Amino acid sequence: GESVGLHLPTLSVQEGDNSIINCAYSNSASDYFIWYKQESGKGPQFIIDIRSNMDKRQGQRVTVLLNKTVKHLSLQIAATQPGDSAVYFCAENGGTGANNLFFGTGTRLTVIP
Amino acid sequence: EPEVTQTPSHQVTQMGQEVILRCVPISNHLYFYWYRQILGQKVEFLVSFYNNEISEKSEIFDDQFSVERPDGSNFTLKIRSTKLEDSAMYFCARNRGRGETQYFGPGTRLLVL
Repeated sequence: GESVGLHLPTLSVQEGDNSIINCAYSNSASDYFIWYKQESGKGPQFIIDIRSNMDKRQGQRVTVLLNKTVKHLSLQIAATQPGDSAVYFCAENGGTGANNLFFGTGTRLTVIP
Repeated sequence: EPEVTQTPSHQVTQMGQEVILRCVPISNHLYFYWYRQILGQKVEFLVSFYNNEISEKSEIFDDQFSVERPDGSNFTLKIRSTKLEDSAMYFCARNRGRGETQYFGPGTRLLVL
């Protein structure tokens, strides 16, 4: 089955610094990747996605990088704010045409004021 | 981000009882999903639903589970005879089309005693 994992279970950063959250995926057939943010007691909130025909995509304060050679995905958050504190999950679709998502175990980001 | 709503927000039930979890549809969203998240663990796919039938399901989605969307109304997940290990957050997700971004609801916290 698919395996989507994260290098670090926890990450603490100072407010204003940049954060980098990493994710490794194992299914080379996956062609769609998403980052979700989950605050305590809430559902996963979409942050940004990327398809396999791209290696970088930018949003507001966030950038996702995809390295298909080493099957690695990262989320960069610029000027991290206290409101960014949450658990971040990467997810992959498992292949072209697949519609369900496979989630990683999550990284807890704590922003220190 | 499209708002996804779920009811109830919390449900406590006795082992062996049936529960029905509901997800409120958005008119232009055609695909529906149920995921669950056991406390402290990753989000796991259960089932996807399109055009009034199941399109994909995981090995978790056994005979105790069923889904339906009667008459275009709420999208429901039924657990026929709950077990202690069914205690989890259950998330509904929707998207407009295959491979499109999935948006998650706030979840229903199910506790089986």
